[in-house]
Amino acid sequence: GAVVSQHPSWVICKSGTSVKIECRSLDFQATTMFWYRQFPKQSLMLMATSNEGSKATYEQGVEKDKFLINHASLTLSTLTVTSAHPEDSSFYICSARVEGTSGEQYFGPGTRLTVT
Amino acid sequence: AQSVTQPDIHITVSEGASLELRCNYSYGATPYLFWYVQSPGQGLQLLLKYFSGDTLVQGIKGFEAEFKRSQSSFNLRKPSVHWSDAAEYFCAVANAGNNRKLIWGLGTSLAVNP
Repeated sequence: GAVVSQHPSWVICKSGTSVKIECRSLDFQATTMFWYRQFPKQSLMLMATSNEGSKATYEQGVEKDKFLINHASLTLSTLTVTSAHPEDSSFYICSARVEGTSGEQYFGPGTRLTVT
Repeated sequence: AQSVTQPDIHITVSEGASLELRCNYSYGATPYLFWYVQSPGQGLQLLLKYFSGDTLVQGIKGFEAEFKRSQSSFNLRKPSVHWSDAAEYFCAVANAGNNRKLIWGLGTSLAVNP
């Protein structure tokens, strides 16, 4: 149980284009999902908290107009990187929190984004 | 402010040897603590968690962790390491807010010698 999928697993895009990453909870409903960014050999950096049916809450320093998050259903959240630049190249990871628990999150396998 | 410290950036052990990964936290109330493992090419996997009750918690893959309030620690242990345990290990504490965001340590990279 508690499986989270992410799609695509890797994507290459050109500078200036936008790319959408999907995060799905496959066997449970997730009111709350999280989006992280991870640089090589580093810990996870929380970008934003996504709540179903409401606007995402972004962490300080994260541009909300650049990283658009939509949580339209209890099983799907999307992250759209708009007008991508090479510095946006990174590993993006989503997670979903199991309702009624005390904070455990289940993670997707991640998406490797390369902007050329 | 809440924080998690993993003092060891990198640890190397021999296969079959015992393992202890250290984690210290700073948190005002009773913490909700987690250990996650990230293997190359795989997503983060929850190893174990502590919410309350017995301070020694058992997890998957033969791991256990002990919560010591007096030392603000939640160290991860395994009696006999397998080569497949080579991975990155992260300790985290959940904050008390509605969304229960996780505060992460920087991780410990474990290498296992044959």
